[in-house]
Amino acid sequence: SQELEQSPQSLIVQEGKNLTINCTSSKTLYGLYWYKQKYGEGLIFLMMLQKGGEEKSHEKITAKLDEKKQQSSLHITASQPSHAGIYLCGADGRGNTPLVFGKGTRLSVIA
Amino acid sequence: NAGVTQTPKFQVLKTGQSMTLQCAQDMNHEYMSWYRQDPGMGLRLIHYSVGAGITDQGEVPNGYNVSRSTTEDFPLRLLSAAPSQTSVYFCASSYSFGTATNEKLFFGSGTQLSVL
Repeated sequence: SQELEQSPQSLIVQEGKNLTINCTSSKTLYGLYWYKQKYGEGLIFLMMLQKGGEEKSHEKITAKLDEKKQQSSLHITASQPSHAGIYLCGADGRGNTPLVFGKGTRLSVIA
Repeated sequence: NAGVTQTPKFQVLKTGQSMTLQCAQDMNHEYMSWYRQDPGMGLRLIHYSVGAGITDQGEVPNGYNVSRSTTEDFPLRLLSAAPSQTSVYFCASSYSFGTATNEKLFFGSGTQLSVL
């Protein structure tokens, strides 16, 4: 079965700093989702990447998919307290299977 | 827009008790699923359904039962609760499966379950 490894497990950054979260798959990626979870709440969809080399941005968050490396990265520019939460990557290995998720990266942003 | 609604939000059970976690969606989604989230373990799939009358097991199905009699509802039943089932449970739905159809999962707000 497909496994997703996220790094780092947790991250504390100072407000205004940039940061990157990585998600590496044990198998070929057919699609990769990024979700954000605020503490004690459900998951909010951020972005979906389908093609190798694809890059998407929303506000100060950019996600990239490196299909050859079976890896995706999530980059936050000029972090703000509102970016704090748990970021999870999810993937389906064959395009028609339920999503599996990484264990998440817990982000704290301090003033 | 209600989206995916889970009830209850919190529940405390004693070992051996049974209960049903409710999940309903009003988006006419074919695909529904249940995940549990535990510290250090991420989200793990319990059961899922690709349509009314069709269910399948996920990664951690033992101790849980599901049925899908309508498109809207996908309840999760704990037959005999155990402390190992203490977790946060999330229900999720989408119009269809996975990234091939460009469909994202919509999540409920979760049910925090404690089994004593």
